[in-house]
Amino acid sequence: EAGVTQFPSHSVIEKGQTVTLRCDPISGHDNLYWYRRVMGKEIKFLLHFVKESKQDESGMPNNRFLAERTGGTYSTLKVQPAELEDSGVYFCASSLLAGASSTDTQYFGPGTRLTVL
Amino acid sequence: LAKTTQPISMDSYEGQEVNITCSHNNIATNDYITWYQQFPSQGPRFIIQGYKTKVTNEVASLFIPADRKSSTLSLPRVSLSDTAVYYCLVGAFNQAGTALIFGKGTTLSVSS
Repeated sequence: EAGVTQFPSHSVIEKGQTVTLRCDPISGHDNLYWYRRVMGKEIKFLLHFVKESKQDESGMPNNRFLAERTGGTYSTLKVQPAELEDSGVYFCASSLLAGASSTDTQYFGPGTRLTVL
Repeated sequence: LAKTTQPISMDSYEGQEVNITCSHNNIATNDYITWYQQFPSQGPRFIIQGYKTKVTNEVASLFIPADRKSSTLSLPRVSLSDTAVYYCLVGAFNQAGTALIFGKGTTLSVSS
């Protein structure tokens, strides 16, 4: 079974440019999450999709970040315009839609390292 | 999600058993305890999850005392490849999707 994949693995852009990160979850997983780790900090939650709907976007830092999951399959995270403080590693994770008796084991992708110069 | 406290780092030699303890004094009744492992340049990987007593899988064991205010991840006979950061997370993961809250984790360094 293929795991969570992310593209690109590394992106280097200049301040003010736009970057789009992509995440392909495990097939059949309704839950999709985005997380971010900036240099020297903990991994922080950004947002959570259930299928194509945003369930929780409380972790999104500001309106320069836009996440989409059209069709409930892959997701994109666009940063426009990118700022220096956006540099970090962006992780995507997916999980099955948990029922009342199950627990939400999240499977993470390898991450996209974003460097804003 | 309940706040957790765990050692910043630990060192071990190959072949030893490593126990990493996590404190979670404010754990709620419906909270589970979950451990993730992260290697450099990779995303976190689920290791084990439990609610009470002891859970064992092919990778590790998780010991949870009766009061559930702490838990211990036990890695039997570690090897160099077990060098990673280990995160203890506590939360009601039986909901339909839960944002994970990561702390600093415990950096385990295994040497020969």
